[in-house]
Amino acid sequence: GQQLNQSPQSMFIQEGEDVSMNCTSSSIFNTWLWYKQDPGEGPVLLIALYKAGELTSNGRLTAQFGITRKDSFLNISASIPSDVGIYFCAGQWGKLTFGQGTILTVHP
Amino acid sequence: DSGVTQTPKHLITATGQRVTLRCSPRSGDLSVYWYQQSLDQGLQFLIQYYNGEERAKGNILERFSAQQFPDLHSELNLSSLELGDSALYFCASSLVGTGGIGELFFGEGSRLTVL
Repeated sequence: GQQLNQSPQSMFIQEGEDVSMNCTSSSIFNTWLWYKQDPGEGPVLLIALYKAGELTSNGRLTAQFGITRKDSFLNISASIPSDVGIYFCAGQWGKLTFGQGTILTVHP
Repeated sequence: DSGVTQTPKHLITATGQRVTLRCSPRSGDLSVYWYQQSLDQGLQFLIQYYNGEERAKGNILERFSAQQFPDLHSELNLSSLELGDSALYFCASSLVGTGGIGELFFGEGSRLTVL
C-alpha cells in the first residue's frame, strides 16, 4: 500500500530558527496536505496543495508540492514557542495516507 | 474549534470490557473517519463512512466496529479491550468521500486507557 516517509522524526530548535521537514513516497499523489497537532488536541489543517510544483504560504509557513508528485516539504520561518507540536504530512490518491509525524520542540 | 465533537474526552476501563466512542461531524459533512493514535504518535486509519455507508477500511481489528447513523453521527465500538488498545481515538469529518480533497477536520479525540 501507499506509505509516506516523513523526516525528521523530531527536531529541537531555538526560537527564531527556520525549520524544514519533508515527506517522500514511492507513490504519486494528487493532493498533499500538512497538519499540525498541538498537545492534547486533534490535528488541524495548515496547508493544502493540489498541483505539482505548487508553492503555497500561510503566514510563516510555506509548503511545496513536489514536481514528481511523490514528495512535499514544509518550511517554518522564524519559529516561535507556539510552533511546538507534531506536524503531519498527508498524501491523497483516492484514500488519504498520513506520515508518521515530526515532533517539533522550540526552546525560548 | 473544528466543529467536530467527540465524547467522551477521557475513558478509563478494564481489560475485557466494551466501550463506545461517539462523534458528531461538522454540520454538512457527509464523511466520518476514525483514526487511532498510539504513543508512537502516528495516525492509524481505522474506517471511513460516507452518508451512512462504509466507504473504506483500514487497520481496524475485528473486535472493533463502527457505524454512521442517519443523522450522520458515528459511533466506534471497541470490545474485548486489551491493554494495547489504550490510545487516542480521533474522529474526523469532511464534506466529500474518497476521491475528493483530503481536507479533514478532526475532533479533540477520546483518550482511552485500558487497565
